[in-house]
Amino acid sequence: DAGITQSPRHKVTETGTPVTLRCHQTENHRYMYWYRQDPGHGLRLIHYSYGVKDTDKGEVSDGYSVSRSKTEDFLLTLESATSSQTSVYFCAINLDGNYGYTFGSGTRLTVV
Amino acid sequence: RKEVEQDPGPFNVPEGATVAFNCTYSNSASQSFFWYRQDCRKEPKLLMSVYSSGNEDGRFTAQLNRASQYISLLIRDSKLSDSATYLCVVAPGATNKLIFGTGTLLAVQP
Repeated sequence: DAGITQSPRHKVTETGTPVTLRCHQTENHRYMYWYRQDPGHGLRLIHYSYGVKDTDKGEVSDGYSVSRSKTEDFLLTLESATSSQTSVYFCAINLDGNYGYTFGSGTRLTVV
Repeated sequence: RKEVEQDPGPFNVPEGATVAFNCTYSNSASQSFFWYRQDCRKEPKLLMSVYSSGNEDGRFTAQLNRASQYISLLIRDSKLSDSATYLCVVAPGATNKLIFGTGTLLAVQP
């Protein structure tokens, strides 16, 4: 399997606090993605990156920002966490855009 | 209308049964199609790509009907280990941003 890890695996945080989730890959893949998964909605794209410092918004980007300063790391930041951001967050990587993604194991975030 | 629609199920089938899942997509310019499998509390994993001519991988067969914007997955001789959620996935147009259906839950019973 492709080397992709997410940290932390679980986090509980308070409303209004900033939170950063990390995705790290060892595959030198160009494309990286952040999704959230919620019951009834499936996986929804938050932000994605197509290279170092090259990022773009997905369908549910409000309240989130991302950074990619190195090929291997893609950070997702919740600037001021809200209860509606309680979710499972998945990072994914893709070599060249023509094939399916490889996902990380996910981060379960609870905002109380 | 959702871009990718699936019957959520659950599909409860006995071991050895044949089961089929269907999926429709709304963007006629979609170019790439996949089925993913997701076990409970785990990440999605690529099961198979779906090609225009249809393709088979062991007990699994995927079909694509572009005219009807319809994708199917057939599982023959179901095993207990096939129990999972099956996600229909589409890449609309010339993009590598995948759109996921909400998934169909399969429970194979002994």
